[in-house]
Amino acid sequence: QQQVKQSPQSLIVQKGGISIINCAYENTAFDYFPWYQQFPGKGPALLIAIRPDVSEKKEGRFTISFNKSAKQFSLHIMDSQPGDSATYFCAAPDDRGSTLGRLYFGRGTQLTVWP
Amino acid sequence: NAGVMQNPRHLVRRRGQEARLRCSPMKGHSHVYWYRQLPEEGLKFMVYLQKENIIDESGMPKERFSAEFPKEGPSILRIQQVVRGDSAAYFCASSPPVRAPNTGELFFGEGSRLTVL
Repeated sequence: QQQVKQSPQSLIVQKGGISIINCAYENTAFDYFPWYQQFPGKGPALLIAIRPDVSEKKEGRFTISFNKSAKQFSLHIMDSQPGDSATYFCAAPDDRGSTLGRLYFGRGTQLTVWP
Repeated sequence: NAGVMQNPRHLVRRRGQEARLRCSPMKGHSHVYWYRQLPEEGLKFMVYLQKENIIDESGMPKERFSAEFPKEGPSILRIQQVVRGDSAAYFCASSPPVRAPNTGELFFGEGSRLTVL
């Protein structure tokens, strides 16, 4: 079974700053590692995902860095905006592969971006 | 194309009653997952279903909880004899038979929030 540890639990950043959220997983996994964004009262929505054979993936202001040997990955939000204020979850796939479809989520990071 | 539809959005039950939560996946999606989110915690996997089949229920409590995804109609998560500890947000997610090649994306509904008095 996969375990995912996410930090920090909460993060306050000034508008225009960089938000960094870190995650670590325990077991071998060879599928996608996604980040989900959740606004209050809504369901999580996929933000960005990376495969473990890639060290970095960038989409606009959002970048995932992946360190396979350390079993760690992080989300960087550049030029953070008040609209980015949400809860962010990292997730790791089941260590038996994607066929089971199950994701293991971190506890979440509540990001607040001050204007 | 409607997203994943969950109902009810809010449900209040007294201890000992039954709760039924329904989920209609996105059009063309045949895989359904149920997750539970407790306050200040992440999403915990409960069960993975395909039409008329339970693929993985390893996250489901052994007693009082059951799930189904019939050939016709929505997937249903059923909690019998609810207790206060069952109070949580229950999210349903769906995916197509072949998951997105670059992300393996799951599409989540807006959740059903169960409160047990």
